[in-house]
Amino acid sequence: AQSVTQLGSHVSVSEGALVLLRCNYSSSVPPYLFWYVQYPNQGLQLLLKYTSAATLVKGINGFEAEFKKSETSFHLTKPSAHMSDAAEYFCAVSDVKTSYDKVIFGPGTSLSVIP
Amino acid sequence: ETGVTQTPRHLVMGMTNKKSLKCEQHLGHNAMYWYKQSAKKPLELMFVYNFKEQTENNSVPSRFSPECPNSSHLFLHLHTLQPEDSALYLCASSQAEQARGYTFGSGTRLTVV
Repeated sequence: AQSVTQLGSHVSVSEGALVLLRCNYSSSVPPYLFWYVQYPNQGLQLLLKYTSAATLVKGINGFEAEFKKSETSFHLTKPSAHMSDAAEYFCAVSDVKTSYDKVIFGPGTSLSVIP
Repeated sequence: ETGVTQTPRHLVMGMTNKKSLKCEQHLGHNAMYWYKQSAKKPLELMFVYNFKEQTENNSVPSRFSPECPNSSHLFLHLHTLQPEDSALYLCASSQAEQARGYTFGSGTRLTVV
């Protein structure tokens, strides 16, 4: 069965510092991986996705993630944090061999940005 | 209007009330989903509809009743809810089998009193 773990339920960084949010997955098939962001009282918004093309994936708002098969990881990074990056971040894995896109979400990491 | 639209944004209901949540997508997607998001808990998949057919029901209590009249609309009918059902209910859609990810609505914040 597929699963996703996110190390650290809460991460704090200073404005301008590197953002690193960790995600590890388990999957019996080559995975499709996603990062979503959720701002307060909003739905989830797709940040970026890995679908077996380039291992380094660039997304919106300056975020990127690197797929490392040997480490079963898909960590999210941003070189310089901005106050507007404060939100909840969810890593997710998808099995597209089913008749629909069954997506398994991680528990989420809350990012705080300190001025 | 594009994207996924959920109404109402906020709902307060008594335990004996009957209400419905509505979700509408204008993206041409063929799969729609209901998720429940409670504080301090992971996202819980409730129901999946693919081409209007329900393909998954994750042991959701019968007081939640989904309806998908067409591929653009999804409803969640609520009756005799419990206080622990208070949560953010999120609707999402996708183009199945293409791994493009979900598009989410903004959610309905439900409070059961």
